[in-house]
Amino acid sequence: DAGITQSPRHKVTETGTPVTLRCHQTENHRYMYWYRQDPGHGLRLIHYSYGVKDTDKGEVSDGYSVSRSKTEDFLLTLESATSSQTSVYFCAISTGVAGNIQYFGAGTRLSVL
Amino acid sequence: RKEVEQDPGPFNVPEGATVAFNCTYSNSASQSFFWYRQDCRKEPKLLMSVYSSGNEDGRFTAQLNRASQYISLLIRDSKLSDSATYLCVVNSNSGYALNFGKGTSLLVTP
Repeated sequence: DAGITQSPRHKVTETGTPVTLRCHQTENHRYMYWYRQDPGHGLRLIHYSYGVKDTDKGEVSDGYSVSRSKTEDFLLTLESATSSQTSVYFCAISTGVAGNIQYFGAGTRLSVL
Repeated sequence: RKEVEQDPGPFNVPEGATVAFNCTYSNSASQSFFWYRQDCRKEPKLLMSVYSSGNEDGRFTAQLNRASQYISLLIRDSKLSDSATYLCVVNSNSGYALNFGKGTSLLVTP
């Protein structure tokens, strides 16, 4: 299995509070991604990173920010969580070659009450 | 139109059956194609890449039709352990990101 660790694995928080999810990799892969998965929508890209301090927006980036200060860590922050951000969040990594195959972490289940 | 479209199913098949899933994609410039498998409450995992000439991995066969922008996955001799959701995946315009279909649910019954 790819060396990807997401933390926390489960979180319950209240509307309006800030939340930070962490993705840590031991593979030294250049690319890292944050997705959310909701019933009826499938996986949707929030943000991705193509190197340290290099990030870009995905399909559903509103309300989210990211940071990557080290190759191994990619943080996703919800500045002020809303109930619509209740979801399962997956981090993924890739080398960018071989068609850009992505490997996923185990996910974080976030509930915003 | 969605980038990647799949029949959500569910497909209920008996053990030993052959089942096929189809997927269409909208970006004719796409170069990379995959099938991922996702078990309930787990992360997606790569099942196989899909190559232009078609490819096989044990009981699984993937086909690509670029002219019709169509990808298929055939599972022969279905096992109970094949029960999962199968995601059709195509690279996006950005080149870095992948577009995921919503998945096709398969249930293999005894």
